[in-house]
Amino acid sequence: QSVLTQPPSASGTPGQRVTISCSGRSSNIGSNTVNWYQHVPGTAPKLLMSSDDQRPSGVPDRFSGSKSGTSASLAISGLQSQDEAVYYCAAWDDSLNGPVFGGGTTVTVL
Amino acid sequence: EVQVVESGGDLVRPGGSLRLSCEATGFTFNGYAMTWVRQAPGKGLEWVSGISGSGDTTYYADSVKGRFTVSRDNSKNTLYLQMNSLRAEDTAFYYCAKCSSGFFYYDYFHSWGQGTLVTVSS
Repeated sequence: QSVLTQPPSASGTPGQRVTISCSGRSSNIGSNTVNWYQHVPGTAPKLLMSSDDQRPSGVPDRFSGSKSGTSASLAISGLQSQDEAVYYCAAWDDSLNGPVFGGGTTVTVL
Repeated sequence: EVQVVESGGDLVRPGGSLRLSCEATGFTFNGYAMTWVRQAPGKGLEWVSGISGSGDTTYYADSVKGRFTVSRDNSKNTLYLQMNSLRAEDTAFYYCAKCSSGFFYYDYFHSWGQGTLVTVSS
């Protein structure tokens, strides 16, 4: 059972918009910023979004992040086949004194 | 180019020990905290441990506290994870990653390695 809650799967056709939610509590998302990671199995995970809505260099602007209260979201617009991956949210947890991850959302491009 | 490469994964019996290494290149190693994250088969990412850039502050997940020890040799640009009293549930790919600051606190994980597999089984 992960501390942050994500839907296990999401899907869309090429060009569609897909949104992934991440729900936490006051000790993590409610008081700290959220980061998102993209993981294609068998490869190194990749930082996709930091500090709620900051895209690292090289990440397409099709990816956007937002946060409100104790929940955060990652949106992928103009979905492409190379976006098929598992997406994880993460945030520092003040009660646990460490970072916590969501369970991951597998995005499938139909 | 920032690169981190893990090594040391192996098959080990329950109760045994193993030391993982992570060699870093392409950045000023002692200026950044480092972390270990693992992924068990069929499961998601789980944070394991973190260490500040200077090495004087360490952090552990409750699941490994008292069994695992993180350390670093800044003269060799290498991060370590000493794992003792290993259990079947420690079976996972172990990834090391460069953090976004020298402190670890509130950091995000900027550059990850490909991982090394630890299997705990009799």
